[in-house]
Amino acid sequence: RKEVEQDPGPFNVPEGATVAFNCTYSNSASQSFFWYRQDCRKEPKLLMSVYSSGNEDGRFTAQLNRASQYISLLIRDSKLSDSATYLCVVGASGAGSYQLTFGKGTKLSVIP
Amino acid sequence: EAQVTQNPRYLITVTGKKLTVTCSQNMNHEYMSWYRQDPGLGLRQIYYSMNVEVTDKGDVPEGYKVSRKEKRNFPLILESPSPNQTSLYFCASSRVGFTDTQYFGPGTRLTVL
Repeated sequence: RKEVEQDPGPFNVPEGATVAFNCTYSNSASQSFFWYRQDCRKEPKLLMSVYSSGNEDGRFTAQLNRASQYISLLIRDSKLSDSATYLCVVGASGAGSYQLTFGKGTKLSVIP
Repeated sequence: EAQVTQNPRYLITVTGKKLTVTCSQNMNHEYMSWYRQDPGLGLRQIYYSMNVEVTDKGDVPEGYKVSRKEKRNFPLILESPSPNQTSLYFCASSRVGFTDTQYFGPGTRLTVL
């Protein structure tokens, strides 16, 4: 069974803090990796794709460790607007199927 | 505006009454999929479609049907809804598949009494 595991949180952090989220996946044949952001009762939206070399987008840095089957997201200088649930997403193909598996999400609350 | 639309946004129905939730995208995407989201369980894929007339089961397909007769539309059909299908449903599309950004519709909140 394909699984993506995340710490559910909640993470309650003050503005300006640095916060890190972790995610592990069970399917070693996974090929694509993402972090999505979901605000309460809204649709998920792509935050960033995750590459083996690691990638950065402003205050956000994502890392992928294929050997350990581990993905991380680092948010620096947290803003109130960063409060949301962060979803780790993994894509894999095999036996004719092409699927995305979502983690259950990690809830972040940034406090003034 | 590039978007994925779903209708209806909210629906309350009774057990056994067939219903269809429509999904349409205007981005000429090949890949479309349906998810349900339940508290404590996260988003789970119901069905997906790689292209017109090509559909396949996701992780939780029981009780659902889909069709992909046109590239832009991917309706979700509940032939005989049951209370355990009460959930928040999202349709999504992407350019070519699971390696691409998924664009989600606004969601349909379904309650089956």
